[in-house]
Amino acid sequence: AQSVAQPEDQVNVAEGNPLTVKCTYSVSGNPYLFWYVQYPNRGLQFLLKYITGDNLVKGSYGFEAEFNKSQTSFHLKKPSALVSDSALYFCAVRDISGATNKLIFGTGTLLAVQP
Amino acid sequence: SAVISQKPSRDICQRGTSLTIQCQVDSQVTMMFWYRQQPGQSLTLIATANQGSEATYESGFVIDKFPISRPNLTFSTLTVSNMSPEDSSIYLCSVGLGAVNNEQFFGPGTRLTVL
Repeated sequence: AQSVAQPEDQVNVAEGNPLTVKCTYSVSGNPYLFWYVQYPNRGLQFLLKYITGDNLVKGSYGFEAEFNKSQTSFHLKKPSALVSDSALYFCAVRDISGATNKLIFGTGTLLAVQP
Repeated sequence: SAVISQKPSRDICQRGTSLTIQCQVDSQVTMMFWYRQQPGQSLTLIATANQGSEATYESGFVIDKFPISRPNLTFSTLTVSNMSPEDSSIYLCSVGLGAVNNEQFFGPGTRLTVL
């Protein structure tokens, strides 16, 4: 079965410092991986995806993610954190084993950026 | 991309009653998904709704409790029936734009509180 794991419930970082939000995956076949962000009282917003190609994927709001096949990881990164980046971040994998191609989400990581 | 709206945005309901949540998309889409996000938790897929066919429910969710309608390619409803406090959650509508490498787009969610 396809799954993703986010080992950290919360990540704290000072504004201006680099940030990393971790995600590992378990899939059979090629992985289709996604990152979403949820701001308070709002729906999920798509950040970026890995389908194939370059291992470093660039997305919205200055975020990027590095796909590492040997470590089965897809960590979200940003070189310089902003206070406005504080939100809940979800990693997700596409489940292609069924007919619906549904997304399976990780448990989420709360990012807190201190000024 | 797709713009998704949901009604109501929030509601407070009494135990034993039912609530119908509406999801409207600004373009025609094949697949629509309904998720539940319980307080402080990740997203759990309730069901997948394709136009012209019965909804496909995930393990742990049944049609009698969460009936879904999908009358056309831009609209769907989810009803939460015979509610209990355990149904207090955010309910999110999402759409897929076809291919497995495409991201899903999410509505703003409906925050339901059951007293």
